This record gives sequence, structure tokens and C-alpha cells, in this order.
Amino acid sequence: GENVEQHPSTLSVQEGDSAVIKCTYSDSASNYFPWYKQELGKRPQLIIDIRSNVGEKKDQRIAVTLNKTAKHFSLHITETQPEDSAVYFCAASIMGNQFYFGTGTSLTVIP
Amino acid sequence: DTAVSQTPKYLVTQMGNDKSIKCEQNLGHDTMYWYKQDSKKFLKIMFSYNNKELIINETVPNRFSPKSPDKAHLNLHINSLELGDSAVYFCASSQPGLRAETQYFGPGTRLLVL
Repeated sequence: GENVEQHPSTLSVQEGDSAVIKCTYSDSASNYFPWYKQELGKRPQLIIDIRSNVGEKKDQRIAVTLNKTAKHFSLHITETQPEDSAVYFCAASIMGNQFYFGTGTSLTVIP
Repeated sequence: DTAVSQTPKYLVTQMGNDKSIKCEQNLGHDTMYWYKQDSKKFLKIMFSYNNKELIINETVPNRFSPKSPDKAHLNLHINSLELGDSAVYFCASSQPGLRAETQYFGPGTRLLVL
């Protein structure tokens, strides 16, 4: 089955700096890659996603890149703010049938 | 109008008891899931149901039994609760297909076994 690895497990950045979280997957059939943000005590919520027919997608300060050949995808957050502090999860899915999650990255943005 | 709802939100119980958590989604999705999130925050898939049929049953003790009366509901019954069952349990739903969309999560049920 699919195996998703996520790095780093913890990340601290100064406010205004960029943060990058990387994930790799093993099953070349995976074609949908969502990223979730989970604030303390809350549910995971989608912040951005990318499909395998696209190499990059951007939404304001958040961007995701996908390299299908290398089977890795990354989340980029620019101009970080304290409210970006949360746990971030990547996931891989084959047509939305099952979702395989990374182990999470705890991001702390230091004011 | 809540997309995915779970009850109860908090559950504190003694070891050995039996408890149930209920989940409902009003998104018309065909697939529903149960996840366990422990103190290390890892989201572990427990069960996946597609249109009331069990698709995935990961290595979960048989004390956990999911039940899907219809495709909008997926309940989780836990027998003989153990200390290690303490965690947050999330229900989720999604609609598979060529234009697959993300999963939507419920608010979670915080289970504490004493």
C-alpha cells in the first residue's frame, strides 16, 4: 500500500520568514495530494491541494509543488504569521478512495 | 449547517466499559472513515466505508466495531475499553472519483479512559 513520509516533524521560523514542509509517497498511482492544517484542539482542515496533472498551485501565501517523477510534494508558506502556527499534514490519495497521511509537522512561528 | 458532525464531543469513562460514538455527514459523500489521533498527533486510519460497505479495516482490535446504517452515518462502538484507547477519534467523509475532493473531518471525540 501507499506510504507517505513527511519532514520535518517540527519546524520553528521567525515571523515573516518562509516555511517548507516536504512529503514523499511510494505509490505512483496516487493522483491527489491535499494538505491539512490542524490547530490545537481543532479538526484537520484543508488548506490547499494539488492533482497529479499540475506541477504547482498557489493560493496567496501558500503554495504546493509536486514532482511526480521523484514522488515528492512540498508545502511552502511565505511571510509566515503567528496564526500559521499549527500541525500540518500531507496526504496522498488515489482518486479520493483512501487517504494516506504523513506523520505531521508542528510549525511554530515566533513573533 | 455542519457538514460532518460527531457526538459526543467528550467522553470520559472507566476501563472495561462499552461506549459508542456517532457520526453523520450531510455532504452526500459515498465514503466515510474513522481515524484515531493519539498524543503524538499521528492520524491513524481505522476503518473506511463506501456506501455502507466496509472497505478498509486496518489492524484494529476487534473490540472496535463500526456500523453504517446508511451512507450518511458511520458509528463506532468500542467494547471493553482500555487505557490505550484514550485518544481523539475523528470521523471524515469524502467523495471518490476522477475529480476527487478532500476529506471533510468531524470535530472529533475526545475519549479518556480512566
